[in-house]
Amino acid sequence: QKEVEQNSGPLSVPEGAIASLNCTYSDRGSQSFFWYRQYSGKSPELIMFIYSNGDKEDGRFTAQLNKASQYVSLLIRDSQPSDSATYLCAVNRGGNQFYFGTGTSLTVIP
Amino acid sequence: EAQVTQNPRYLITVTGKKLTVTCSQNMNHEYMSWYRQDPGLGLRQIYYSMNVEVTDKGDVPEGYKVSRKEKRNFPLILESPSPNQTSLYFCASSSRGLEQYFGPGTRLTVT
Repeated sequence: QKEVEQNSGPLSVPEGAIASLNCTYSDRGSQSFFWYRQYSGKSPELIMFIYSNGDKEDGRFTAQLNKASQYVSLLIRDSQPSDSATYLCAVNRGGNQFYFGTGTSLTVIP
Repeated sequence: EAQVTQNPRYLITVTGKKLTVTCSQNMNHEYMSWYRQDPGLGLRQIYYSMNVEVTDKGDVPEGYKVSRKEKRNFPLILESPSPNQTSLYFCASSSRGLEQYFGPGTRLTVT
């Protein structure tokens, strides 16, 4: 069983719509959860992280964590073509040990 | 400017020829990591370090070595590269395991 699983996509949404990205993790001891965005040919960059159950909002982005279901999601409101990228979910078990999912490719259609 | 630098950015080498990929950060971060990224497998952690002289194996450490003699530098060493180590490598640093800042990547091809 993979540590972190994501649907690879591709996920396509029209401009202005809400994009919903999902991630599950296997280790209940995981402590913090991250969403990274990676444009083609570039390095990952952090969008946001969450460590408590519930929602965390930052601008157009909302991360949701449900530890009982071992589920993390990212909502992107008012999607823009510039949001087209691969989104990586990552979990931290503590310290500096990270596990990443394989990423979900998102395309926002103008 | 806060950044993580890696060198070289591109490298083509032959099987068995020792190589080192350097990584340096200017943010005074305690934590540093090396990852490889392969299609369909995602980012996988090779080694990580939580302080000078403190390193630990990640998910895929076989065939790699690291050292952390200075806080800012974390080189990745391939003593005897093999074709299955052909990959895109990223170095990252963070303050206490939160936001990781990634370097620009090193694309390695081993023939």
